[in-house]
Amino acid sequence: DVKVTQSSRYLVKRTGEKVFLECVQDMDHENMFWYRQDPGLGLRLIYFSYDVKMKEKGDIPEGYSVSREKKERFSLILESASTNQTSMYLCASSLDRGYTFGSGTRLTVV
Amino acid sequence: GESVGLHLPTLSVQEGDNSIINCAYSNSASDYFIWYKQESGKGPQFIIDIRSNMDKRQGQRVTVLLNKTVKHLSLQIAATQPGDSAVYFCAENLSGGYNKLIFGAGTRLAVHP
Repeated sequence: DVKVTQSSRYLVKRTGEKVFLECVQDMDHENMFWYRQDPGLGLRLIYFSYDVKMKEKGDIPEGYSVSREKKERFSLILESASTNQTSMYLCASSLDRGYTFGSGTRLTVV
Repeated sequence: GESVGLHLPTLSVQEGDNSIINCAYSNSASDYFIWYKQESGKGPQFIIDIRSNMDKRQGQRVTVLLNKTVKHLSLQIAATQPGDSAVYFCAENLSGGYNKLIFGAGTRLAVHP
């Protein structure tokens, strides 16, 4: 089975901190995605990547950046965390048309 | 922590009954659809998919129906069990592009003994 691993399940950070959320997949998938999930708003796409060093903005990229230096790793970066970035963050990877998701990182910014 | 299902429509069923979860999708050009199940504290898990050249597909205890005329998907779960309690999302994929999925808001399924 494909495994998508997010490095932290729970994270608490202070306003203004730089935050790194890491995601690793073990099946050589080309495509990787970062979503945030908020009650009543569903899953919203932040950024995605279709190849190493390639990235595309999703629907809500403001306040975030990403890095994909290796095929298996896709990092989400909050340059200066704010309280409105408190959310559940989900990473996914895909080869064909279905996604495999990680377990999520619940980030709280205080 | 706050449940992702807190503000979602909820379907309550008795254990053993059949469940039907509905979803309206947005784009008539979408040609691939997936249902995901998300249990509390976990990421979404693939349940079943269907391509637009089909109108029905069956899995183990689950059936997906696709009505392209009205842009409607449904997920039917037979003999619903307590372990089926979760939030269910439909997702649509436009042909071409970078394999981006567009997710519905989700429905919470609550199974009562």
